[in-house]
Amino acid sequence: DADVTQTPRNRITKTGKRIMLECSQTKGHDRMYWYRQDPGLGLRLIYYSFDVKDINKGEISDGYSVSRQAQAKFSLSLESAIPNQTALYFCATSDVLAGQHSRNTQYFGPGTRLTVL
Amino acid sequence: QQQVKQSPQSLIVQKGGISIINCAYENTAFDYFPWYQQFPGKGPALLIAIRPDVSEKKEGRFTISFNKSAKQFSLHIMDSQPGDSATYFCAASMRGTDKLIFGTGTRLQVFP
Repeated sequence: DADVTQTPRNRITKTGKRIMLECSQTKGHDRMYWYRQDPGLGLRLIYYSFDVKDINKGEISDGYSVSRQAQAKFSLSLESAIPNQTALYFCATSDVLAGQHSRNTQYFGPGTRLTVL
Repeated sequence: QQQVKQSPQSLIVQKGGISIINCAYENTAFDYFPWYQQFPGKGPALLIAIRPDVSEKKEGRFTISFNKSAKQFSLHIMDSQPGDSATYFCAASMRGTDKLIFGTGTRLQVFP
């Protein structure tokens, strides 16, 4: 976990506020991901980036935006937070695929617990 | 739409027992099936993974059983220990991508 850091670790905010969650990694990986975790729903992909110039929507991107400032930094923003965005948010990284049949482990940060009142 | 269905949602096992968590999928394009383990306050971490060209993979006390025809796979934890108490997620991905589709998770509690 120390190779992937997330700030803040906990945040309480109010409806309508703009929030930014930050992720930094020292693993040298090109690929980065943002997930949210909700009880009973597992982990769902919000956005992912395969390099600095590549940003892609995941399955639940509505209400979120991202910025890939550098290879090591990937930020998630909630432009106008709403209560149903209360969740645990995880950043993850993985290396470039070595080949068509290869798979790379995703390394997760420790998470940010966000509460929107 | 849940592409990877996981059960049970929670599991209580006595120390030394066998823990079994099941997952099922529909998309036959999936060709990589990892399991991630998450301890409270931590992010998930890869535990073990399997490809559909084998029916079983074992690493220590952890075994994945894979049934391609039934589109099901399961995690077996032998001689379960209190230190195995965690949430377990199955996942799946398609060839050529690192994108993972996760199951809903199983909270395992192992009591001494």
